[in-house]
Amino acid sequence: GAVVSQHPSWVICKSGTSVKIECRSLDFQATTMFWYRQFPKQSLMLMATSNEGSKATYEQGVEKDKFLINHASLTLSTLTVTSAHPEDSSFYICSASGGGASYNSPLHFGNGTRLTVT
Amino acid sequence: DAKTTQPPSMDCAEGRAANLPCNHSTISGNEYVYWYRQIHSQGPQYIIHGLKNNETNEMASLIITEDRKSSTLILPHATLRDTAVYYCIVQIYNQGGKLIFGQGTELSVKP
Repeated sequence: GAVVSQHPSWVICKSGTSVKIECRSLDFQATTMFWYRQFPKQSLMLMATSNEGSKATYEQGVEKDKFLINHASLTLSTLTVTSAHPEDSSFYICSASGGGASYNSPLHFGNGTRLTVT
Repeated sequence: DAKTTQPPSMDCAEGRAANLPCNHSTISGNEYVYWYRQIHSQGPQYIIHGLKNNETNEMASLIITEDRKSSTLILPHATLRDTAVYYCIVQIYNQGGKLIFGQGTELSVKP
């Protein structure tokens, strides 16, 4: 089945530094990937849609200059949290569709990255 | 966007069928219903999806009402490992597969 890999699985960084999270589709090509964020005891919140070769589309209220998304190839999207602060501490999850992001193709999710900003 | 309504929590005895309901009364004719589950501190796992017809796979069955305004996910023989949050999601049509998660149902399977 379609496998999405995220790296790192957890990271601790100091306030003010930047952190990059990678999302890879291992056995399929993904023109579209999605980035979510999840706070404790809450549901997943969609942050942005990552499109290969073009700019990401951000959901309302998500700062595009703070959460930089790059989707340079059909198998890799990266999310960089810039100038991280403690309130950015969260569980970040990416997903991709093995069916070309059609409406009849399930998204497959990575196992998430736990970010802790001290 | 078609929203979904699910009970916040449910219990199920191990070995019994778990029936998880979902209301999606504003669903459009070309929107699919997807079910995912999330075990603590992991990414969501795809379970099943459907449009009109009932669907079955190795994990579960999906029953969609004729008017498509509600559906039920059935885990035929629940095990302790099925304890998770289950999300029913109506996929937004023609937006690249985007999924908007609701609050889901926290299913506890008890011995």
